[in-house]
Amino acid sequence: DTGVSQDPRHKITKRGQNVTFRCDPISEHNRLYWYRQTLGQGPEFLTYFQNEAQLEKSRLLSDRFSAERPKGSFSTLEIQRTEQGDSAMYLCASSLNIQRDIQYFGAGTRLSVL
Amino acid sequence: AQKITQTQPGMFVQEKEAVTLDCTYDTSDQSYGLFWYKQPSSGEMIFLIYQGSYDEQNATEGRYSLNFQKARKSANLVISASQLGDSAMYFCAMRGLAQGAQKLVFGQGTRLTINP
Repeated sequence: DTGVSQDPRHKITKRGQNVTFRCDPISEHNRLYWYRQTLGQGPEFLTYFQNEAQLEKSRLLSDRFSAERPKGSFSTLEIQRTEQGDSAMYLCASSLNIQRDIQYFGAGTRLSVL
Repeated sequence: AQKITQTQPGMFVQEKEAVTLDCTYDTSDQSYGLFWYKQPSSGEMIFLIYQGSYDEQNATEGRYSLNFQKARKSANLVISASQLGDSAMYFCAMRGLAQGAQKLVFGQGTRLTINP
């Protein structure tokens, strides 16, 4: 039973470049979430999918951020025209819509914008 | 709005001792869930334990137990017989259980260090 997988684990980019992260959820999970965690803080919610539908987006998700989940399987998070303030850990989680609906997290993608 | 407060930035405990990590919360929701996650230096958030607001008994999962005091709005994590591998960041989180409420709201975390 594989857990949530995120790729890449680390990304270094120059300001102004575009970056894309991938998340593969636990195979039978129909819900997928993206969170952002900056140093010394707890994760903050960015967006959430149920199957392929994006049902909620945080105000943190500016128009430079876009997330997709084609066919309700893996998801991608793209950041356009990166800024130094985008430097953070981007965490993906998935859950199965039953009972306690526990969210299980991947190891994250650490983004550094130079 | 929901808010989680963890007032202990760091805790130092001797191996094999029990440790309590504090968590208080604020919400106007009648039905909600409370969660604890562990984050080792590798970065992955590991689910530890869950408590529903209407659960009559405190949750337990192996060496982890949740001391839930609804009137005080507290949900402290108790780790019994601590081990060196318990050294990590610990986050308390909550989620409303109303229809459509899915996001977790996290506290700032407590860094736990277990000394040999």
